[in-house]
Amino acid sequence: DGGITQSPKYLFRKEGQNVTLSCEQNLNHDAMYWYRQDPGQGLRLIYYSQIVNDFQKGDIAEGYSVSREKKESFPLTVTSAQKNPTAFYLCASSMSPSNTGELFFGEGSRLTVL
Amino acid sequence: DQQVKQNSPSLSVQEGRISILNCDYTNSMFDYFLWYKKYPAEGPTFLISISSIKDKNEDGRFTVFLNKSAKHLSLHIVPSQPGDSAVYFCAATRTYGGATNKLIFGTGTLLAVQP
Repeated sequence: DGGITQSPKYLFRKEGQNVTLSCEQNLNHDAMYWYRQDPGQGLRLIYYSQIVNDFQKGDIAEGYSVSREKKESFPLTVTSAQKNPTAFYLCASSMSPSNTGELFFGEGSRLTVL
Repeated sequence: DQQVKQNSPSLSVQEGRISILNCDYTNSMFDYFLWYKKYPAEGPTFLISISSIKDKNEDGRFTVFLNKSAKHLSLHIVPSQPGDSAVYFCAATRTYGGATNKLIFGTGTLLAVQP
């Protein structure tokens, strides 16, 4: 089955620790994205990548880092510099270039800072 | 600055009736609009979309209407079913001029369909 796999589904972190969220897709999509969901704020774009070895900051990139060494993988690191990291994180992918804008999402990872 | 707004955080509808979810946008450069449906603890799934060259797109029980002059779109679900209960996100993007498929999402509307 083609799709996007995020892991772990739940993650707990102590303050001051970096954590990395995994995102893998087997849809052969060029573009990948990380969004963050907070109550009452919808989905906000953290980082996106249109091609391997290239990525751009989204609207709320501070305190996060990404890499795109392989087409299938787009891991997100939440660093200790992120002031409010507790949230639900969603990874997505799309064909690029695409005229439809349709994103395919993973099931999400919930990060809780203790 | 919220470029895509869903002003109703929640909506409750009786089974079999029509559900109307609304969305407003401020950026006139958006030319493609999408609706996503999301269940708790899951990723959003694509529902229906519309290009700015159209004013209506229909797919089964779901119809999206676009009013460009008012910068407003709406999603109609007829008839509503209990399985439609979820959070619905409106999203917008620009697809021309080197667009990146960067979707801007609204804050979502929680639809509850009562049996």
